[in-house]
Amino acid sequence: DGGITQSPKYLFRKEGQNVTLSCEQNLNHDAMYWYRQDPGQGLRLIYYSQIVNDFQKGDIAEGYSVSREKKESFPLTVTSAQKNPTAFYLCASSMTGQRGSYNEQFFGPGTRLTVL
Amino acid sequence: QKEVEQNSGPLSVPEGAIASLNCTYSDRGSQSFFWYRQYSGKSPELIMFIYSNGDKEDGRFTAQLNKASQYVSLLIRDSQPSDSATYLCAVEDQTGANNLFFGTGTRLTVIP
Repeated sequence: DGGITQSPKYLFRKEGQNVTLSCEQNLNHDAMYWYRQDPGQGLRLIYYSQIVNDFQKGDIAEGYSVSREKKESFPLTVTSAQKNPTAFYLCASSMTGQRGSYNEQFFGPGTRLTVL
Repeated sequence: QKEVEQNSGPLSVPEGAIASLNCTYSDRGSQSFFWYRQYSGKSPELIMFIYSNGDKEDGRFTAQLNKASQYVSLLIRDSQPSDSATYLCAVEDQTGANNLFFGTGTRLTVIP
C-alpha cells in the first residue's frame, strides 16, 4: 500500500521547544517537500529536496531545519526560532523529470502543530 | 516571487449548477498548471492538470487555460454537495524542478 505518512497527526509544543515532524514515503520518489498552511491561506514552501543528502530553502525556511539522509524520509524540525509555528504542516513527494514536464505532487495527511 | 491569484470566495452554488473557479498567474513562462481539491482538515488531492491552451475535460471537471491572458480556470458541472471544498490553483516553477506555487484557494459550497 504505497503512500506518504506523516506523524504525529496532532502535536502540541511549549514555547521554546524544538519539535520534529516525521514524513515517510514508499513511492520511490526522489523529490520531497514541506509546506505550511495557515487558516484561509494557500500552501507556502518551507524546504524541498530533489535528491538524498541535498535540500534547498523554500520561501519561508527561517526557524525550520530538515535532513534527507534516506530517500524515504524527510523530517522537519520546527525550532524555537520560529516565532509563530502554529499551523498545518504538509509533506509531499513527487518524481523528478525534465524541466517543464509534469510530475504530480502527492501529499501526506498533514500534522497540525499548536504552540501552547 | 511568483504570484498566483485566486478569487477567495466563498463561492456558493446550488446543487446541479456549474461552479466556475478562476486563477491568474504572474510568470508568463509557466508551462504546467494544477487544480487541487482540499476538504476541511485534509490534505490536497490533485483533480486536474493542464499544460496546453484550450480546454481539458475529465468527467464533470473542465480545466481551461489561456496562456496569453495568463489565466486558468476550473469548471465543475452538475455540482454536488460532495464538491464542497477549497480548490487550490498551483503553477509549476520553471526555475526549480517540480516546485509548485499555490494560490490561497477558493472555498466552494454546493447547496443541496
